Amino acid sequence: GNSVTQMEGPVTLSEEAFLTINCTYTATGYPSLFWYVQYPGEGLQLLLKATKADDKGSNKGFEATYRKETTSFHLEKGSVQVSDSAVYFCALKSNDYKLSFGAGTTVTVRA
Amino acid sequence: EAQVTQNPRYLITVTGKKLTVTCSQNMNHEYMSWYRQDPGLGLRQIYYSMNVEVTDKGDVPEGYKVSRKEKRNFPLILESPSPNQTSLYFCASSLNGRAKNIQYFGAGTRLSVL
Repeated sequence: GNSVTQMEGPVTLSEEAFLTINCTYTATGYPSLFWYVQYPGEGLQLLLKATKADDKGSNKGFEATYRKETTSFHLEKGSVQVSDSAVYFCALKSNDYKLSFGAGTTVTVRA
Repeated sequence: EAQVTQNPRYLITVTGKKLTVTCSQNMNHEYMSWYRQDPGLGLRQIYYSMNVEVTDKGDVPEGYKVSRKEKRNFPLILESPSPNQTSLYFCASSLNGRAKNIQYFGAGTRLSVL
């Protein structure tokens, strides 16, 4: 079946540091890949997505590229802010209509 | 405003006392789904629905029931809650079940079963 593996946290950074959260996946067919973000006390919201190989999703300074050859979708941001403190989830959706999530990575950015 | 609304946001109950968590969306979405979030496990899908009167099991359906009598509503029912169902629950919806469509999430329901 489908599965998503993302780096364990928690991750603690200083403001303006570079952030990378690794995500790899196992799936049949041609899945779509997503990063969702969960701010404290809130539900999940879509951060970015990519629907086919070599697509790059980007939003709010975050980027991730769909790499089929390495089955990866790593999330990056060049300069984080305190407001980026959240839990980040990598997710995959294939044609079986089910969204599979990674375990989540808690990111804390210190001023 | 487009949204997914869950109620209640917080619930404390006792073992065996039936409860229902409601979920409603105002986007005319066909696809709806329930997840539970537990530390270190991410979100796991409980049930999903492709459309009215069509529901199917997700990865962790045991102990839960759902119904989809109307397009906008997708209640989660715990007939006899147990402490291992203490969790944070999220309802979500999307236009349809296709892979590329994003899901919109409710704010969550934190359930404690004593």
